[in-house]
Formats: sequence, structure tokens, C-alpha cells
Amino acid sequence: EDQVTQSPEALRLQEGESSSLNCSYTVSGLRGLFWYRQDPGKGPEFLFTLYSAGEEKEKERLKATLTKKESFLHITAPKPEDSATYLCAVNEGGYNKLIFGAGTRLAVHP
Amino acid sequence: DADVTQTPRNRITKTGKRIMLECSQTKGHDRMYWYRQDPGLGLRLIYYSFDVKDINKGEISDGYSVSRQAQAKFSLSLESAIPNQTALYFCATTDRATGELFFGEGSRLTVL
Repeated sequence: EDQVTQSPEALRLQEGESSSLNCSYTVSGLRGLFWYRQDPGKGPEFLFTLYSAGEEKEKERLKATLTKKESFLHITAPKPEDSATYLCAVNEGGYNKLIFGAGTRLAVHP
Repeated sequence: DADVTQTPRNRITKTGKRIMLECSQTKGHDRMYWYRQDPGLGLRLIYYSFDVKDINKGEISDGYSVSRQAQAKFSLSLESAIPNQTALYFCATTDRATGELFFGEGSRLTVL
């Protein structure tokens, strides 16, 4: 069965304390791995898409990487405004049916 | 204006009532989705539609139905709401080329 598992469930960081979020997946034929950010009471907002092992993408303090079994979202020198839930999803079967992980709740304190 | 608009944003109803959640989009995409979000469970796919004449069940379609009235409109119905359908519901559209989903702001439904 296709699965997406995110860890940790929750992460508390001090401002400036870099860390990584993990997304491990088991799907037959990955057609894209997506990272989204979700603020409370809002819909998820797109961050990155990764398609093949070894691929990396960056946006401000965020960097996403992909291997054959997992993806990492690295957060460098986070700020309080980076606090949100980060969702990982994989595209199953090429029909744009995304399977989501449960998310990691990130809290960055001043 | 938001590209994907959901109404209502919040709704409280009673067990057994019929509820409709509506979604409209201005992205021009042909593919639309309804997801449900519960704490600790992430987003789960209820129904999806690739065009007006194409409707498909997702992983948790029992107790729900949908209607694709036009390319830009996709509604979700609960024929007889029950308390375990209390959740946050999201409509989304997708860019077929990239697979990126664009989400609405969500509809919070509470069934008493």
C-alpha cells in the first residue's frame, strides 16, 4: 500500500536554530513529491515539487531534497514567521492524485 | 479575489441534515478535487473530477456525493450528515502539467 510518513509530528525551534523535516514514502512509480506549507485556518500553499532522486530546490530559508525513499525539508536559520504545518505529498499513478502525509507542525520561537 | 473559492467557510449542522459545500475556481484548470482534513490524519481524497463528464471516487467517498456543474464549479454533498463527518474540507484544482494543487481556504463543517 502506498504510504507517506512525516517526522517528527511536531518540532519546536529557537529562532536561528536550523533543522530538517523528513518525509518517507513507499509508492510504485513516483511522479512527483510535493511540499506544502499550511497556516492555521488556511489552505495549503505550494512550496516545491521534486521529481527525481538527487534533485534539490531552494526558496529563501527552505531547501528540499529527494532520495529514492525519502525527502528532507531543511530549514536554515528559521524565523518565527516560518511557523506552520509542513505537508509532504506524492503523486500516485500519474493522475495528479496526491497522497498526503499527516504533516509536521513547526513552531519557531524568538 | 482567491483563485479557488469555497462556500460556506464555516457551517454547523445537525445529524441527518443534507449539506452542500460549493467550490468555484478561476484558474481555468479542468481537474478539481475534494479533500478532507482531520487532525493527525492529513488530507484524504474524497472525490476528483478530470472534466465535467468525469467523476471518480477517492479513498473515502462513502457518505459523500459530488456534482461538476461546469468546468469551474465542483460541489460536495453530504446527503445525511453524521458527527464523524466533522472536519475541514478543501477543494483544489491542479495544473495538469506540473501536478501542483491549488487549494481553497477550506470549509469547516461541524455535525452535532
